[in-house]
Amino acid sequence: QKEVEQNSGPLSVPEGAIASLNCTYSDRGSQSFFWYRQYSGKSPELIMSIYSNGDKEDGRFTAQLNKASQYVSLLIRDSQPSDSATYLCAVNPTGGFKTIFGAGTRLFVKA
Amino acid sequence: DVKVTQSSRYLVKRTGEKVFLECVQDMDHENMFWYRQDPGLGLRLIYFSYDVKMKEKGDIPEGYSVSREKKERFSLILESASTNQTSMYLCASTEGGATGDTEAFFGQGTRLTVV
Repeated sequence: QKEVEQNSGPLSVPEGAIASLNCTYSDRGSQSFFWYRQYSGKSPELIMSIYSNGDKEDGRFTAQLNKASQYVSLLIRDSQPSDSATYLCAVNPTGGFKTIFGAGTRLFVKA
Repeated sequence: DVKVTQSSRYLVKRTGEKVFLECVQDMDHENMFWYRQDPGLGLRLIYFSYDVKMKEKGDIPEGYSVSREKKERFSLILESASTNQTSMYLCASTEGGATGDTEAFFGQGTRLTVV
Protein backbone atom coordinates (compact mmCIF):
# COMPACT_ATOMS: atom_id res chain seq x y z
CA GLN A 1 0.00 0.00 0.00
CA LYS A 2 1.30 3.43 -0.95
CA GLU A 3 1.71 5.88 1.91
CA VAL A 4 -0.41 8.55 0.19
CA GLU A 5 -2.87 7.49 -2.49
CA GLN A 6 -4.76 9.60 -4.97
CA ASN A 7 -6.81 8.81 -8.03
CA SER A 8 -4.59 9.86 -10.94
CA GLY A 9 -7.55 11.03 -13.00
CA PRO A 10 -7.95 12.86 -15.19
CA LEU A 11 -10.96 14.37 -13.51
CA SER A 12 -12.98 16.49 -15.91
CA VAL A 13 -15.62 18.95 -14.71
CA PRO A 14 -17.52 21.73 -16.48
CA GLU A 15 -16.84 25.36 -15.64
CA GLY A 16 -18.80 26.45 -12.59
CA ALA A 17 -19.15 22.93 -11.15
CA ILE A 18 -17.65 21.57 -7.92
CA ALA A 19 -14.47 19.54 -8.32
CA SER A 20 -13.85 16.95 -5.61
CA LEU A 21 -10.36 15.56 -5.12
CA ASN A 22 -9.67 12.73 -2.70
CA CYS A 23 -6.66 11.32 -0.89
CA THR A 24 -6.04 8.51 1.61
CA TYR A 25 -2.97 7.98 3.76
CA SER A 26 -1.54 5.03 5.64
CA ASP A 27 0.19 6.51 8.72
CA ARG A 28 -2.58 6.82 11.31
CA GLY A 29 -0.51 9.15 13.47
CA SER A 30 -0.02 11.79 10.74
CA GLN A 31 -0.72 15.31 11.93
CA SER A 32 -0.24 17.67 8.99
CA PHE A 33 -1.94 17.58 5.62
CA PHE A 34 -1.48 19.73 2.55
CA TRP A 35 -2.83 20.29 -0.92
CA TYR A 36 -0.48 21.62 -3.60
CA ARG A 37 -1.39 22.72 -7.10
CA GLN A 38 1.05 22.12 -9.94
CA TYR A 39 0.54 23.62 -13.38
CA SER A 40 2.13 21.82 -16.30
CA GLY A 41 5.86 22.53 -16.41
CA LYS A 42 5.78 24.44 -13.12
CA SER A 43 6.63 23.70 -9.50
CA PRO A 44 4.04 22.78 -6.86
CA GLU A 45 2.57 25.61 -4.81
CA LEU A 46 0.64 25.29 -1.57
CA ILE A 47 -3.07 26.06 -1.71
CA MET A 48 -4.38 24.56 1.56
CA SER A 49 -3.10 23.09 4.79
CA ILE A 50 -5.22 21.36 7.44
CA TYR A 51 -4.30 19.92 10.82
CA SER A 52 -7.55 19.01 12.63
CA ASN A 53 -10.65 17.05 11.76
CA GLY A 54 -13.38 18.87 9.91
CA ASP A 55 -13.52 21.46 7.17
CA LYS A 56 -11.28 24.42 6.41
CA GLU A 57 -12.41 26.97 3.87
CA ASP A 58 -10.35 29.50 1.92
CA GLY A 59 -12.19 31.27 -0.86
CA ARG A 60 -13.38 28.72 -3.40
CA PHE A 61 -11.34 25.95 -1.77
CA THR A 62 -12.40 23.70 1.10
CA ALA A 63 -10.15 21.06 2.63
CA GLN A 64 -11.79 18.25 4.60
CA LEU A 65 -9.99 15.94 7.01
CA ASN A 66 -11.23 12.74 8.62
CA LYS A 67 -8.44 11.18 10.67
CA ALA A 68 -10.53 8.17 11.71
CA SER A 69 -10.96 7.23 8.07
CA GLN A 70 -7.46 8.45 7.12
CA TYR A 71 -8.99 10.54 4.42
CA VAL A 72 -8.44 14.09 3.22
CA SER A 73 -10.22 15.84 0.38
CA LEU A 74 -10.21 19.12 -1.51
CA LEU A 75 -13.34 20.73 -2.91
CA ILE A 76 -13.09 23.47 -5.51
CA ARG A 77 -16.32 25.42 -5.92
CA ASP A 78 -17.22 27.35 -9.07
CA SER A 79 -14.39 25.66 -10.94
CA GLN A 80 -12.61 27.78 -13.53
CA PRO A 81 -10.48 26.77 -16.53
CA SER A 82 -7.54 28.30 -14.66
CA ASP A 83 -7.98 25.59 -12.01
CA SER A 84 -6.88 22.99 -14.56
CA ALA A 85 -3.72 21.51 -13.04
CA THR A 86 -2.41 18.53 -11.12
CA TYR A 87 -3.31 18.55 -7.43
CA LEU A 88 -0.90 16.87 -5.05
CA CYS A 89 -1.95 15.62 -1.64
CA ALA A 90 0.88 15.70 0.89
CA VAL A 91 1.18 14.32 4.43
CA ASN A 92 3.74 14.74 7.21
CA PRO A 93 3.98 11.34 8.94
CA THR A 94 4.30 11.03 12.69
CA GLY A 95 7.29 12.99 14.00
CA GLY A 96 8.80 13.43 10.58
CA PHE A 97 10.66 16.24 8.87
CA LYS A 98 9.79 14.97 5.47
CA THR A 99 6.58 15.31 3.52
CA ILE A 100 5.14 12.36 1.62
CA PHE A 101 3.42 13.27 -1.63
CA GLY A 102 0.76 11.43 -3.54
CA ALA A 103 1.14 10.94 -7.27
CA GLY A 104 -1.37 13.71 -7.96
CA THR A 105 -4.78 14.02 -9.63
CA ARG A 106 -5.04 15.81 -12.96
CA LEU A 107 -8.02 18.13 -13.11
CA PHE A 108 -9.49 19.55 -16.32
CA VAL A 109 -12.11 22.29 -16.14
CA LYS A 110 -13.94 22.63 -19.44
CA ALA A 111 -15.12 26.09 -20.49
CA ASP B 1 9.11 37.53 -2.16
CA VAL B 2 10.42 34.20 -0.94
CA LYS B 3 12.59 32.31 -3.30
CA VAL B 4 14.13 28.93 -3.95
CA THR B 5 16.38 29.01 -6.98
CA GLN B 6 17.78 26.05 -8.85
CA SER B 7 20.87 26.61 -10.95
CA SER B 8 19.58 25.13 -14.20
CA ARG B 9 16.19 24.74 -15.82
CA TYR B 10 17.32 22.14 -18.35
CA LEU B 11 20.39 19.90 -18.43
CA VAL B 12 21.58 17.24 -20.84
CA LYS B 13 24.39 15.01 -19.64
CA ARG B 14 26.11 11.88 -20.86
CA THR B 15 26.04 8.52 -19.13
CA GLY B 16 28.83 8.29 -16.57
CA GLU B 17 29.24 12.03 -16.08
CA LYS B 18 29.27 13.55 -12.60
CA VAL B 19 26.37 15.98 -12.35
CA PHE B 20 25.83 18.79 -9.86
CA LEU B 21 22.42 20.33 -9.23
CA GLU B 22 22.49 23.44 -7.09
CA CYS B 23 19.71 24.95 -4.98
CA VAL B 24 19.74 28.22 -3.04
CA GLN B 25 17.03 29.60 -0.74
CA ASP B 26 16.83 33.11 0.67
CA MET B 27 14.33 32.47 3.48
CA ASP B 28 16.78 31.34 6.19
CA HIS B 29 14.98 27.98 6.26
CA GLU B 30 16.42 25.14 8.32
CA ASN B 31 15.22 22.25 6.17
CA MET B 32 15.99 21.58 2.54
CA PHE B 33 14.92 18.70 0.34
CA TRP B 34 15.63 17.15 -3.04
CA TYR B 35 12.81 15.33 -4.84
CA ARG B 36 12.52 13.76 -8.23
CA GLN B 37 9.22 13.72 -10.08
CA ASP B 38 8.30 11.12 -12.66
CA PRO B 39 4.94 10.61 -14.41
CA GLY B 40 2.59 8.49 -12.34
CA LEU B 41 4.99 8.31 -9.38
CA GLY B 42 4.60 11.75 -7.87
CA LEU B 43 7.34 13.39 -5.87
CA ARG B 44 9.86 11.02 -4.36
CA LEU B 45 12.30 12.17 -1.72
CA ILE B 46 15.97 11.61 -2.50
CA TYR B 47 17.72 13.34 0.42
CA PHE B 48 16.98 16.04 2.95
CA SER B 49 18.93 18.19 5.34
CA TYR B 50 17.76 19.78 8.59
CA ASP B 51 20.95 21.68 9.34
CA VAL B 52 24.27 22.69 7.84
CA LYS B 53 26.46 19.63 7.18
CA MET B 54 23.60 17.34 8.21
CA LYS B 55 21.90 15.05 5.74
CA GLU B 56 19.43 12.20 5.81
CA LYS B 57 18.55 9.66 3.18
CA GLY B 58 15.08 9.81 1.71
CA ASP B 59 13.26 7.02 -0.05
CA ILE B 60 15.45 6.71 -3.16
CA PRO B 61 19.03 7.80 -2.29
CA GLU B 62 20.85 5.24 -4.43
CA GLY B 63 23.09 6.85 -7.02
CA TYR B 64 22.89 10.28 -5.38
CA SER B 65 24.74 12.24 -2.74
CA VAL B 66 24.23 15.71 -1.29
CA SER B 67 26.21 18.53 0.23
CA ARG B 68 25.14 21.34 2.54
CA GLU B 69 28.10 23.49 3.48
CA LYS B 70 26.04 26.65 3.98
CA LYS B 71 22.52 27.06 5.31
CA GLU B 72 21.17 28.58 2.12
CA ARG B 73 22.65 26.08 -0.34
CA PHE B 74 21.85 22.39 -0.87
CA SER B 75 23.51 20.51 -3.70
CA LEU B 76 22.51 17.22 -5.27
CA ILE B 77 25.26 15.15 -6.88
CA LEU B 78 24.86 12.33 -9.33
CA GLU B 79 28.16 10.51 -9.00
CA SER B 80 27.88 8.69 -12.33
CA ALA B 81 24.79 9.65 -14.27
CA SER B 82 22.67 6.89 -15.74
CA THR B 83 19.72 6.99 -18.11
CA ASN B 84 17.31 5.95 -15.35
CA GLN B 85 18.14 9.22 -13.61
CA THR B 86 16.47 11.18 -16.40
CA SER B 87 13.78 13.07 -14.51
CA MET B 88 12.51 16.38 -13.15
CA TYR B 89 14.41 17.34 -10.00
CA LEU B 90 12.80 19.67 -7.49
CA CYS B 91 14.43 21.37 -4.55
CA ALA B 92 12.30 22.57 -1.64
CA SER B 93 12.77 24.22 1.74
CA THR B 94 10.74 24.57 4.94
CA GLU B 95 11.17 26.41 8.21
CA GLY B 96 12.81 24.71 11.17
CA GLY B 97 10.99 22.53 13.68
CA ALA B 98 10.68 18.80 14.14
CA THR B 99 6.97 18.71 13.41
CA GLY B 100 7.49 19.67 9.80
CA ASP B 101 4.03 21.18 9.64
CA THR B 102 5.03 24.11 7.50
CA GLU B 103 4.67 25.05 3.89
CA ALA B 104 7.24 23.72 1.44
CA PHE B 105 8.59 26.25 -1.05
CA PHE B 106 9.82 24.77 -4.29
CA GLY B 107 12.40 25.81 -6.83
CA GLN B 108 11.47 25.99 -10.50
CA GLY B 109 12.77 22.49 -11.18
CA THR B 110 15.60 21.07 -13.27
CA ARG B 111 14.71 18.76 -16.10
CA LEU B 112 17.69 16.44 -16.47
CA THR B 113 18.15 14.22 -19.48
CA VAL B 114 20.91 11.60 -19.41
CA VAL B 115 21.84 10.27 -22.84
